[in-house]
Amino acid sequence: GAVVSQHPSWVICKSGTSVKIECRSLDFQATTMFWYRQFPKQSLMLMATSNEGSKATYEQGVEKDKFLINHASLTLSTLTVTSAHPEDSSFYICSARPGLQETQYFGPGTRLLVL
Amino acid sequence: AQSVTQLDSHVSVSEGTPVLLRCNYSSSYSPSLFWYVQHPNKGLQLLLKYTSAATLVKGINGFEAEFKKSETSFHLTKPSAHMSDAAEYFCVVSDSTGRRALTFGSGTRLQVQP
Repeated sequence: GAVVSQHPSWVICKSGTSVKIECRSLDFQATTMFWYRQFPKQSLMLMATSNEGSKATYEQGVEKDKFLINHASLTLSTLTVTSAHPEDSSFYICSARPGLQETQYFGPGTRLLVL
Repeated sequence: AQSVTQLDSHVSVSEGTPVLLRCNYSSSYSPSLFWYVQHPNKGLQLLLKYTSAATLVKGINGFEAEFKKSETSFHLTKPSAHMSDAAEYFCVVSDSTGRRALTFGSGTRLQVQP
């Protein structure tokens, strides 16, 4: 149980294009999902908290107009990197929390390369 | 604000020997602490969690961790390392707000020598 999927697993795009990453909780409902970013050989940094039916909460320093988050249902959150640039290349990981539980379950991640 | 410090960026052990990965935390309240493992090209997997119940927490794959409030530590141990344990390990603390956001340590890469 408690499986989280991400799609796509990797994506290569040209600079200036937008990329959408999906995060789904497959066997539970998640009112809260989280988006993280991980640079090579570094730890995970929380980008934003996604709440179903309301606006996402962004961490300090994360541009909300660049990283658009939509949490339209209890099993799906999307992260759209708008007008991507090479410096946005990274590993993006989502997590989901079942109901009021404290434990977060992580997706396998999406590797983004912007050329 | 809460934080975690992983004291070793890299640990190398021989197969069959004990593993110790060190983590210290800083928190103004009674924290919830976790250890996650990340294998190459795979998602993060929860090893174990401490949520103010028993101070010695047993996790999956033979790992365990002991919460020591007096030392503000939550070290991860395993009696006997296996080759498959080679991975990146993260010590994580949860905040006290309703959203329960996680703060990750910098990670410890465990290498297991044959």
